[in-house]
Amino acid sequence: KNQVEQSPQSLIILEGKNCTLQCNYTVSPFSNLRWYKQDTGRGPVSLTIMTFSENTKSNGRYTATLDADTKQSSLHITASQLSDSASYICVVTAPNTGKLIFGQGTTLQVKP
Amino acid sequence: GAGVSQTPSNKVTEKGKYVELRCDPISGHTALYWYRQSLGQGPEFLIYFQGTGAADDSGLPNDRFFAVRPEGSVSTLKIQRTERGDSAVYLCASSPRQGASSEQYFGPGTRLTVT
Repeated sequence: KNQVEQSPQSLIILEGKNCTLQCNYTVSPFSNLRWYKQDTGRGPVSLTIMTFSENTKSNGRYTATLDADTKQSSLHITASQLSDSASYICVVTAPNTGKLIFGQGTTLQVKP
Repeated sequence: GAGVSQTPSNKVTEKGKYVELRCDPISGHTALYWYRQSLGQGPEFLIYFQGTGAADDSGLPNDRFFAVRPEGSVSTLKIQRTERGDSAVYLCASSPRQGASSEQYFGPGTRLTVT
């Protein structure tokens, strides 16, 4: 069973619209939760990182939220652009080693 | 270069052959991670180095997989007797220090295809 589950698996939106991606995790304890963006054929790039005591973190048009009680996180993208088309991966970090536990990702396609 | 580099970018090999995948981390980064990403999935942890030693190799799927980092910089992932199920993108990441709060910087990956 995956320790990090994401939904939806894929999503298509029109340019300029907002969207929210969901992440549920069972990893406990954990050190932090990260959201990565992965363009096709590229390695993941970090968008946000939150410790368990943080509720929200923004990076430009990306805003991540974390509810450590319900073990849920979301990534909200505002005013989407064509360049936002990518896979978005939720990642939980194990304590001490920094080993990353990845979700399967949500594939976002932004259409003009 | 400023980022993590991996070579080759693509590797096609026949079943049963031996392959080596190379990772050049960001200069000065002491921690190095290998991950494997199958099509449509998120990456899965394979092995983690702190300096020259493998601090955690719990993700290596079996003894056909081995990785080294002899001088604490470049790392090589070695796969013996390759199988079709080994086909995936192999990602390397480096970090300036050990620990959960440290950022990991990923390379572009090596796409391995076993025919």
